Amino acid sequence: RKEVEQDPGPFNVPEGATVAFNCTYSNSASQSFFWYRQDCRKEPKLLMSVYSSGNEDGRFTAQLNRASQYISLLIRDSKLSDSATYLCVVNRGTGANNLFFGTGTRLTVIP
Amino acid sequence: EAGVAQSPRYKIIEKRQSVAFWCNPISGHATLYWYQQILGQGPKLLIQFQNNGVVDDSQLPKDRFSAERLKGVDSTLKIQPAKLEDSAVYLCASSPLNRRTGTTYEQYFGPGTRLTVT
Repeated sequence: RKEVEQDPGPFNVPEGATVAFNCTYSNSASQSFFWYRQDCRKEPKLLMSVYSSGNEDGRFTAQLNRASQYISLLIRDSKLSDSATYLCVVNRGTGANNLFFGTGTRLTVIP
Repeated sequence: EAGVAQSPRYKIIEKRQSVAFWCNPISGHATLYWYQQILGQGPKLLIQFQNNGVVDDSQLPKDRFSAERLKGVDSTLKIQPAKLEDSAVYLCASSPLNRRTGTTYEQYFGPGTRLTVT
């Protein structure tokens, strides 16, 4: 089983739509969680960290369910500029502090 | 603040040839990572350095890949000899270290080196 699993999409949504991405992780000892954004032929960039209590940053809301080992990202009022691949990332935190990346979910926002 | 620098940006080689990639992390970042990202997949960690010491190289194919970070700043990743399946983008990332907890903060990625092995 992969460390991190995501629906690869693609998700094609109209501008203004709300879209949600889901992610599951296999290691229950994982300690921190992130969503990264990667534009085509660019490097990944941190979008937001994910906290147990849930957190919001403008149009973006991230949630974590440790019991189900499930992470989500909600984007409201989608903009054309949101088109990108969204990578779910889990830090196993076993001392090496390395990150495990999902394969990414590709989003295209259509005018 | 300057970001993570990598060179070259693109490289095309034939199989069985050798290739080296260079990375200069953000100034002051103790931790440096090399990732391999194959088309359609997420980045996979190859090796992690903290200063000039290796923290994790469990996923580095050591029969052909090597990496070093002399003086705890710049790093090079080498492939010798290259195989067709090594075609990928090689990403370098760095992050500052929380000296109190020993954990790292956000990772900042460089633009990557796109390797094509023919």
